[in-house]
Amino acid sequence: GAVVSQHPSRVICKSGTSVKIECRSLDFQATTMFWYRQFPKKSLMLMATSNEGSKATYEQGVEKDKFLINHASLTLSTLTVTSAHPEDSSFYICSARDGGQSSYNEQFFGPGTRLTVL
Amino acid sequence: AQKITQTQPGMFVQEKEAVTLDCTYDTSDPSYGLFWYKQPSSGEMIFLIYQGSYDQQNATEGRYSLNFQKARKSANLVISASQLGDSAMYFCAMREVNDKIIFGKGTRLHILP
Repeated sequence: GAVVSQHPSRVICKSGTSVKIECRSLDFQATTMFWYRQFPKKSLMLMATSNEGSKATYEQGVEKDKFLINHASLTLSTLTVTSAHPEDSSFYICSARDGGQSSYNEQFFGPGTRLTVL
Repeated sequence: AQKITQTQPGMFVQEKEAVTLDCTYDTSDPSYGLFWYKQPSSGEMIFLIYQGSYDQQNATEGRYSLNFQKARKSANLVISASQLGDSAMYFCAMREVNDKIIFGKGTRLHILP
């Protein structure tokens, strides 16, 4: 299957700082990428849908100014957690949709980024 | 209202036995897709199997099969001949027409030696 990478895999930051997480599709072009958040022992919650060249669509309850999403190219989307606080500590996972010939447009998930805010 | 329901928070199964993980879904869209993902302790999401709403036959992928009962809105995952490496969290998920994937709360599967 297609490969999606995330960087960094782990990040620890101080409260009040901003953190950028990258999501890259390595061997396909992803017109759409999705960002999820997962609390410990919980399910994945969709945060936003990122479309290349346009503004992200955020799910209800997700702060746009807090979680900035940029999808500048067909292979890269970034999530920036601005002015991070301890409650932002979580596991963030991106997925990328292969807009190619996949019969069911499967989404491929990145390995995740564990954010810890001190 | 929950769109994906997984009623088994945890399961313990003896190695080599078959196991069925339950999943029911709720949608009014005629076109949708159902997925099962495995999430080991490392956190990565591993795609297991897919079933389209219009697919006539139940999906199978190696030891994984999906028992799709459309009228009951049920999409149970069956793992045959379970292995120790199958111990993980399993998520049922549904893709809607807007391509969003909604996940269930998951079932933690423990395979006992």
